[in-house]
Amino acid sequence: GQNIDQPTEMTATEGAIVQINCTYQTSGFNGLFWYQQHAGEAPTFLSYNVLDGLEEKGRFSSFLSRSKGYSYLLLKELQMKDSASYLCAVMDYGGSQGNLIFGKGTKLSVKP
Amino acid sequence: DTGVSQDPRHKITKRGQNVTFRCDPISEHNRLYWYRQTLGQGPEFLTYFQNEAQLEKSRLLSDRFSAERPKGSFSTLEIQRTEQGDSAMYLCASSLSTGKETQYFGPGTRLLVL
Repeated sequence: GQNIDQPTEMTATEGAIVQINCTYQTSGFNGLFWYQQHAGEAPTFLSYNVLDGLEEKGRFSSFLSRSKGYSYLLLKELQMKDSASYLCAVMDYGGSQGNLIFGKGTKLSVKP
Repeated sequence: DTGVSQDPRHKITKRGQNVTFRCDPISEHNRLYWYRQTLGQGPEFLTYFQNEAQLEKSRLLSDRFSAERPKGSFSTLEIQRTEQGDSAMYLCASSLSTGKETQYFGPGTRLLVL
């Protein structure tokens, strides 16, 4: 079956670092995406990993281990505006298919 | 603003009525997706188009739901005989079928069925 797990909620302090983990079991794999979603808004693209390793983009980094079915999103120098839900999503096939399978999201609260 | 637009942004309807939503993707994107999201859940895939062809439909898409993309540009999602369980955010996303195929989401249409 298709399953993507991530923690439901996390809390962190402004200026700190937080790591949001995601594990997945899918029929196929053609890339893992992280999206940020503020309450009542649409998901916005943060990062994409298809090969093992770390991808860094400013304050955000994402890591992938395909053999372990595991990814994490690392947020550095947290700001209050980073309070949002973070969605892990796997694209299970390429070619003629390409829909994303999403986890339930991790609601991150950043405290002063 | 990702460049994907959806209309209307909010819709309140009575049970049993039909509703139609529109999505305008990023102009050069050939793939268009519809997802549904309820509170506390991630988006769930409904259907997707490559150009004007509807290539995949989720089993979530009952026969009351129909989607079209007549000229390979904008798309419509129609729900007939709405039920209270249809209340959700309906998200549209578009992508280019080359490279990373990153999907960019529109602002969504929030549907409330009374």
